Formats: sequence, structure tokens, C-alpha cells
Amino acid sequence: QVQLVQSGAEVKKPGASVKVSCKASGYTFTSYGISWVRQAPGQGLEWMGWISGYNGNTNYAQKLQGRVTMTTDTSTSTAYMELRSLRSDDTAVYYCAREGGYDSSGYFYSYWGQGTLVTVSS
Amino acid sequence: EIVLTQSPATLSLSPGERATLSCRASQSVSSYLAWYQQKPGQAPRLLIYDASNRATGIPARFSGSGSGTDFTLTISSLEPEDFAVYYCQQRSNWPRITFGPGTKVDIK
Repeated sequence: QVQLVQSGAEVKKPGASVKVSCKASGYTFTSYGISWVRQAPGQGLEWMGWISGYNGNTNYAQKLQGRVTMTTDTSTSTAYMELRSLRSDDTAVYYCAREGGYDSSGYFYSYWGQGTLVTVSS
Repeated sequence: EIVLTQSPATLSLSPGERATLSCRASQSVSSYLAWYQQKPGQAPRLLIYDASNRATGIPARFSGSGSGTDFTLTISSLEPEDFAVYYCQQRSNWPRITFGPGTKVDIK
């Protein structure tokens, strides 16, 4: 079965960087991309970007351009999201997600990681 | 960017009642719309994709309809476990997707 397991909670100071991992299992990693979605406390869902598991191509949300980098390590089936120059309003739960695929939900997110809380505080 | 609006923001209903949630897109998204359910402390769960298709394992009391700019999620008879926040999401310009702000269904 498809599983996405994320790294643990982080506490960072303003201006620092954070790197969250998402280890995939139960499918061929290079056949699907990984998206990142975040959720500030008590708020809605915000799409951050997507990375291809096949060739590492990326597509980032405009508001995060220049601060976010998504990468993959195909040898360990792991995706990473690094966010730099952290601010207090980056405090959120960060999720990785994978689309269902052509024989399931198509391009909608059938699979989600458990979430990683990133707290930015001085 | 395609903006999604959801109404109402909060829906207060009793178990057994029918829930009707609305999602409107700022421009046509064809049928490329999904609905998710989220409970506190949990990741979102896909309910409906391509506007009207139930995801695997989703009970038949959940149904979706609509196309273009106007969409509806209907829960025919609310069960206690259905009280949650519901988000719509469009993917017409994949992978650049957007979510609506959510509708909270709470117990009256």
C-alpha cells in the first residue's frame, strides 16, 4: 500500500531554514510526482509546489519563489522540501501528497503524509 | 490563478440532516474539481474527484455535482463522523492547483 512518511516536528528561529522529508513506499517512486501543501494554525490549505519523481522538474507557488526548493532522492524514494528565510507566518503543518494516478483519482491527492509541524519562533 | 470560494463558511446541522456545500470557481475548471474532508489533527481525505466520482472507500451518502464554475457536495444524511471541515480543490492547470477556504460542518 502507498505510504508517505514525513520527518518530525521542527522549531526554528526567524531567518533560519528548514528541510522536511517525505519517504515514499508501496509504489514506483519515479512514476509519480510529490506535491507539498501547508496549513497554518486554524487556517486552510495552501499549495506550495510540486516535484516530478521522474526527472526532478519543479513547479512552485509564486509567493514562495526564491525561498523554497524541492528535491528528490530516487535511491531512497524520498522527497524533500526546504524553506529558507523563515518568518513567523511560515508556522504551519507541512504535508506531502501524491496524486492517485490514472487508475484511481487521476491528478487529485489520494495519498497524504502525516504532516510535519514547523514552528518559527524567536 | 483560479480562485475558489466556498459557502457557507459554517453549516450547523444535526445528525441525520442533509448537508449541501457549495464551491464556486473564478473561471471554468471543467470537471477538474475535488472535495476533501479534514478532521482536527488529521491530513485531508479525498472524498470526490472529477466533480462527481467517489474516491475509493467513500460512503454513498457523499455525492458531488457540477461543472464549469459551480459545484456542490451533498451529504445525504449526516453521520456523527461527518462533522469536519470540507475543502474543494481545482486542478485545471495542474500541477498549479488551488484550494477553497473550507466549509466547517458542525453539530447544531
